[in-house]
Amino acid sequence: DAKTTQPTSMDCAEGRAANLPCNHSTISGNEYVYWYRQIHSQGPQYIIHGLKNNETNEMASLIITEDRKSSTLILPHATLRDTAVYYCIVRGFTGTASKLTFGTGTRLQVTL
Amino acid sequence: GAGVSQSPSNKVTEKGKDVELRCDPISGHTALYWYRQSLGQGLEFLIYFQGNSAPDKSGLPSDRFSAERTGGSVSTLTIQRTQQEDSAVYLCASRQQGGLPLNTEAFFGQGTRLTVV
Repeated sequence: DAKTTQPTSMDCAEGRAANLPCNHSTISGNEYVYWYRQIHSQGPQYIIHGLKNNETNEMASLIITEDRKSSTLILPHATLRDTAVYYCIVRGFTGTASKLTFGTGTRLQVTL
Repeated sequence: GAGVSQSPSNKVTEKGKDVELRCDPISGHTALYWYRQSLGQGLEFLIYFQGNSAPDKSGLPSDRFSAERTGGSVSTLTIQRTQQEDSAVYLCASRQQGGLPLNTEAFFGQGTRLTVV
């Protein structure tokens, strides 16, 4: 079962930052927070992941609260091509804990 | 190959027929997942292969569904006596197993769109 809670949908104006929240209040100490996105008619694409420190890569930034019970994915300058469903997943990395379980995600619509 | 390859990309079959869907994972990736996605829905986990361990079949919806992974590489998902509700996009993903998770994100194929008529 999915262990994350995300808003169903969000809108963002092109060029503005998109901040996508995720609640994972039951996360355990050895579980990471992963973000994937799925653009229409494509397979999911990895974005970023983190354990407890904030992370940044060329696609996005991930802000994890100190208690690790929630996180925010930040797309600093959203473009129309960022319109997609964004999935927040918590996952361990050994054995069955490493199974990826997708929730319903957040549908981000970037508009002009 | 450079990415996860799935074949066929599209499959139309008659109700009651058996179908086989193929997944070629990224070379060296020992973890392999199958998911399905019905129109407008999220990803539904089906099965997970992890190296030489017994697969996690907890997501298979019925005994008409089975999957195997030969030689730790190519995987085949078989659906017997297909039903219309089996119509969906079937996605395969592979991941490098073990070690730190820094390089263990999953890479997805583009899926097989199955239509049962």
